[in-house]
Amino acid sequence: QSVLTQPPSASGTPGQRVSISCSGSSSNIGSNYVYWYQKLPGTAPKLLIYRNNQRPSGVSDRFSGSKSGTSASLAISGLRSEDEADYYCAAWDDSLSGGVFGGGTKLTVL
Amino acid sequence: EVNLVESGGGLVKPGGSLRLSCAASGFTFSSYSLAWVRQAPGKGLEWVSSISSSSSYIYYADSVKGRFTISRDNAKNSLYLQMNSLRAEDTAVYYCARVSYDKIGYRDWGQGTLVTVSS
Repeated sequence: QSVLTQPPSASGTPGQRVSISCSGSSSNIGSNYVYWYQKLPGTAPKLLIYRNNQRPSGVSDRFSGSKSGTSASLAISGLRSEDEADYYCAAWDDSLSGGVFGGGTKLTVL
Repeated sequence: EVNLVESGGGLVKPGGSLRLSCAASGFTFSSYSLAWVRQAPGKGLEWVSSISSSSSYIYYADSVKGRFTISRDNAKNSLYLQMNSLRAEDTAVYYCARVSYDKIGYRDWGQGTLVTVSS
């Protein structure tokens, strides 16, 4: 059972906009930044969003993040087949004094 | 270009030990915090441990506390993870990562090394 809760799956058709939610608590999302990672099989995770809504250079502006209270979400607009991957939210947890990841959301592009 | 290369993975029996290494290049190693993150087969990402630039601050996940030890050698540009009392549930690909933002923003990752704990 992950500290951060994500839906196990999400789907959309090419061109659509999809959102993935991440729910936490006051000790993690409620008091710290949220990060989002994309994970493809056999490759290292890729940082998509840092500090709730910032994109590292080189990450498409089709990816955006937001946070409200103890929840956060990742939105992907103009969905493409290459976006099919697993997506993870992450945050620092002050109570645990450690990092926590969500359980991951498998995105399928139909 | 930032380069992180893990090594030391392999097959080990339950209760055994293994030491992972992560060789870094392309940046000023002594200026950055580093971390280990793992992914068990068919499972999600799990944060394992992190260490600050001068080793002053070290953190562990509850699942490995007391069994794993993170360390670094800034003179050798290397990060380590000593894993003792290994369990089947420690079987995973272990990634080293450079902390780019705060404590859990990792922009640079190694390719991972597989640790298999099985009799």
